[in-house]
Amino acid sequence: AQKVTQAQTEISVVEKEDVTLDCVYETRDTTYYLFWYKQPPSGELVFLIRRNSFDEQNEISGRYSWNFQKSTSSFNFTITASQVVDSAVYFCALSEERNFNKFYFGSGTKLNVKP
Amino acid sequence: KAGVTQTPRYLIKTRGQQVTLSCSPISGHRSVSWYQQTPGQGLQFLFEYFSETQRNKGNFPGRFSGRQFSNSRSEMNVSTLELGDSALYLCASSLGGQMDTSTDTQYFGPGTRLTVL
Repeated sequence: AQKVTQAQTEISVVEKEDVTLDCVYETRDTTYYLFWYKQPPSGELVFLIRRNSFDEQNEISGRYSWNFQKSTSSFNFTITASQVVDSAVYFCALSEERNFNKFYFGSGTKLNVKP
Repeated sequence: KAGVTQTPRYLIKTRGQQVTLSCSPISGHRSVSWYQQTPGQGLQFLFEYFSETQRNKGNFPGRFSGRQFSNSRSEMNVSTLELGDSALYLCASSLGGQMDTSTDTQYFGPGTRLTVL
């Protein structure tokens, strides 16, 4: 069975704090893909990053970084020096090789960054 | 490149009516997927179309249907609307080819917010 768990429903931080959003996934497939999306109040899901199951290299993009660990089935997302504009709902998603465009989404983590 | 567009952005219908939502994918993308987002169930996959054929389907009743045209534009139809169909309907497009999965990504439109009264 495929499942994505984002245990943190809502997180509040003060601007410039670092924050980590957790994502744990379940799949029986050996080839799968993981994604993070940001959903601002406007509603559109904005793509942030994808990671292939066969590539465990972590990635940094500006203030954003992602830690993929197959051993713990986790794909966590860290925002360094958070800003008010980072306030949004963040979704982690999983897809599998045989049904690539059928995404399984977590329930999302609402991030509130206060000035 | 223009992004994924969806029309209309907002829709109000009454129970029992039917509704058609439209999605235009990014130019060159051949796959269009539809998702329903509700506060209770979150984001759920409805179906995917690729080259005018339904390639994948989620666990939704037959009242939910879709189609794709030769220009990759897609429509989603919901018949006999129920109160529980009130949701944000998101469309996503991707290249969709089987050889593209290692690099492909779904890009989402702004959604259509459907309210059923």
